[in-house]
Amino acid sequence: ETGVTQTPRHLVMGMTNKKSLKCEQHLGHNAMYWYKQSAKKPLELMFVYSLEERVENNSVPSRFSPECPNSSHLFLHLHTLQPEDSALYLCASSQDLGGGASAKNIQYFGAGTRLSVL
Amino acid sequence: SQQGEEDPQALSIQEGENATMNCSYKTSINNLQWYRQNSGRGLVHLILIRSNEREKHSGRLRVTLDTSKKSSSLLITASRAADTASYFCATARTGANSKLTFGKGITLSVRP
Repeated sequence: ETGVTQTPRHLVMGMTNKKSLKCEQHLGHNAMYWYKQSAKKPLELMFVYSLEERVENNSVPSRFSPECPNSSHLFLHLHTLQPEDSALYLCASSQDLGGGASAKNIQYFGAGTRLSVL
Repeated sequence: SQQGEEDPQALSIQEGENATMNCSYKTSINNLQWYRQNSGRGLVHLILIRSNEREKHSGRLRVTLDTSKKSSSLLITASRAADTASYFCATARTGANSKLTFGKGITLSVRP
């Protein structure tokens, strides 16, 4: 176990549904991340939170809405998704965003949520 | 453009052989990390090498870093079928907040 738990592991939703992905880390980390991983594509960084503040939003469509209520929890709220949004969604955490040659930016990943949009 | 580019994209070897995977990057970095991903799972951190280091070992893993060529290699010695996975390099650019940028990954298949 990596100390990062994602639920649910699998999710099937229609384009009109609203659902949420949950990520919880038990590592005492200050930074959390959402990634999208599609087949045959590089890992796409979606959002970065540091100390519960969003520090990066990589041109992600508004149908994806992140929420970080505290440093241990991260949510990704989904609504009116498209079939091309089907992918593996990964959550990760790190001690902080790093800097210098420190190891504080080593990321610990959850097992992911496999999302299928019908 | 992608910061880290792995090479080759796919590698198939026989159990017991060594596997060498390469990563090239474009900008100055603070550190470079290698991760492994089993199919459909999250990534797992393997090893970190700092910009002032040239080589690092961890068990059967050996990582080298050449900052003049902006490249790194990951060597897995005496491979096992259980090493079958995707391997990613990730670079942390210089700067106060050096978050990681991941490459596209290398698919390694180790035949029993």
